[in-house]
Amino acid sequence: DAKTTQPNSMESNEEEPVHLPCNHSTISGTDYIHWYRQLPSQGPEYVIHGLTSNVNNRMASLAIAEDRKSSTLILHRATLRDAAVYYCILRDVDTDKLIFGTGTRLQVFP
Amino acid sequence: DTEVTQTPKHLVMGMTNKKSLKCEQHMGHRAMYWYKQKAKKPPELMFVYSYEKLSINESVPSRFSPECPNSSLLNLHLHALQPEDSALYLCASSQDGGGTHYGYTFGSGTRLTVV
Repeated sequence: DAKTTQPNSMESNEEEPVHLPCNHSTISGTDYIHWYRQLPSQGPEYVIHGLTSNVNNRMASLAIAEDRKSSTLILHRATLRDAAVYYCILRDVDTDKLIFGTGTRLQVFP
Repeated sequence: DTEVTQTPKHLVMGMTNKKSLKCEQHMGHRAMYWYKQKAKKPPELMFVYSYEKLSINESVPSRFSPECPNSSLLNLHLHALQPEDSALYLCASSQDGGGTHYGYTFGSGTRLTVV
């Protein structure tokens, strides 16, 4: 399973944009990049995913590097409710596995 | 209905007990998963069911026994557990077995304590 590397923690102020980086230098051509977040005392929540092109949805944007060896999850205006652990995961098209790495703990300050 | 429902939310069991965790979804998803999460650690994949058949067992000890009676229901039967098995057990589903184009939907988990 291809691995991802994320910073252990990041901080942001409320209403500021947040850029959460993820390195995945061993990504294969068929791996999808998935992002999930886990709020305290809850199960993980799907945020966004993509293959090659940048993606936007109501929760966030995903910027994927041209060589696909890294990606960035963008929260456009952080709120206190965005405080969570954010996981960047590579989803292998040949197996049905979603393998979590250690994630980034995001703190948001008022 | 866009949820994965897990019951019970909390469970305390002795090492000689037999208990079951239940997971239900009515989104028509054909793949379902069990994960185990220890405190302050990421979720670890245990089992994958695709179209009601076990497709992946991540070398889980036999004291954990999964069952998928139908496409909406997933059980995890527990027997002779150890205190170190205490954890949050998460169930998830996705639209199809490959699932690459779709995200997973997770339940809120069952917090299990083995005494």
